Amino acid sequence: GAGVSQSPSNKVTEKGKDVELRCDPISGHTALYWYRQRLGQGLEFLIYFQGNSAPDKSGLPSDRFSAERTGESVSTLTIQRTQQEDSAVYLCASSLRDHSYEQYFGPGTRLTVT
Amino acid sequence: EDKVVQSPLSLVVHEGDTVTLNCSYEVTNFRSLLWYKQEKKAPTFLFMLTSSGIEKKSGRLSSILDKKELFSILNITATQTGDSAIYLCAVFFTGGGNKLTFGTGTQLKVEL
Repeated sequence: GAGVSQSPSNKVTEKGKDVELRCDPISGHTALYWYRQRLGQGLEFLIYFQGNSAPDKSGLPSDRFSAERTGESVSTLTIQRTQQEDSAVYLCASSLRDHSYEQYFGPGTRLTVT
Repeated sequence: EDKVVQSPLSLVVHEGDTVTLNCSYEVTNFRSLLWYKQEKKAPTFLFMLTSSGIEKKSGRLSSILDKKELFSILNITATQTGDSAIYLCAVFFTGGGNKLTFGTGTQLKVEL
């Protein structure tokens, strides 16, 4: 089956605009994660969805960041009023159930805020 | 503060060399430690370790966990240029909610 897919692969936006990033997890995976990776830095946890439970939003850096997930399928990460420091690769991962299972990563979306 | 620290930050070796990458952690309620290889954008899974002293092996790669001393090592023997990548260590712990925290990675470059 297909792996995790993300779109767009690259996004260039002007400071102050809103952007929406999409993640399609592997079918049947109940857990979905968003991470951010700034240039030369490690992966930074943003948000975690597990089935119908309330998402763990503890990693979201500000209230400009939000994410939604429809059931156990597609997720969108929205960044409002983008800033230059939001420039990074945004990675999505899914796993069969929870953190005790291997996470499969998507190819990421490279966001550049000019 | 929960943290995952990897060393060295970067490493350059020649083909055929053996390398050892280190990952130490300080977290609340440790559950598991994972190693990933990141070549371009998406990290790919290598190992998940939950028990001390049990080596996991896949080809030329192997890894072991020491839960008493709070570290793990990733060994790569007979390195090849295709091993060049960033190697990420991540720890799943349940202190303060379920989280997977990544280290900053070790950048490995294997030269001919």
